[in-house]
Amino acid sequence: SAVISQKPSRDICQRGTSLTIQCQVDSQVTMMFWYRQQPGQSLTLIATANQGSEATYESGFVIDKFPISRPNLTFSTLTVSNMSPEDSSIYLCSVERDTDSGANVLTFGAGSRLTVL
Amino acid sequence: AQSVTQLGSHVSVSEGALVLLRCNYSSSVPPYLFWYVQYPNQGLQLLLKYTSAATLVKGINGFEAEFKKSETSFHLTKPSAHMSDAAEYFCAVSPSGGYQKVTFGIGTKLQVIP
Repeated sequence: SAVISQKPSRDICQRGTSLTIQCQVDSQVTMMFWYRQQPGQSLTLIATANQGSEATYESGFVIDKFPISRPNLTFSTLTVSNMSPEDSSIYLCSVERDTDSGANVLTFGAGSRLTVL
Repeated sequence: AQSVTQLGSHVSVSEGALVLLRCNYSSSVPPYLFWYVQYPNQGLQLLLKYTSAATLVKGINGFEAEFKKSETSFHLTKPSAHMSDAAEYFCAVSPSGGYQKVTFGIGTKLQVIP
């Protein structure tokens, strides 16, 4: 399965600033996914990023707040813009691991833990 | 629409005891079901998956889960807990048939007491 590297692994940010999280995959993948993992809550899908097209955002997430880039088949970035303490969370990058079973099995990066002061 | 309910956000077991983590799902179509594990400071890893073949699914590290349609359940079990099993476990569901969005439960933190 793919190996995913995320940077930064953690950061402490000031309110009102923006931070870009990078996700690098060791193989080419069609779809990359960005999730948010808030304390005491389930993983929530933010958006799906396909190379060469605009990301598809889930309900409650907008491009102005979470702009995503997908310049090639192995790389994506997620920016958390104009951060507030409510954005403190773990942000996870994932890719589809295999499709031979027909199921959407995911591989995840280790996550980026953001704390907004 | 689909959802997952994990009963018990924290579960403690003694080393060597049975591990039982509960998951109930709701899906308007036949589901695919998953259990993922997250060790501290690591990403989620797939433990096992159900994709409409055998209802009893065996995964890594001695874990297994049984799909029970009548109970809409997919509970995770392991006969004998090991200290290394301490982690957070996530149940997840997606509709069957090609790529579909995966919905995760809230997670259950498993503590193993020596």
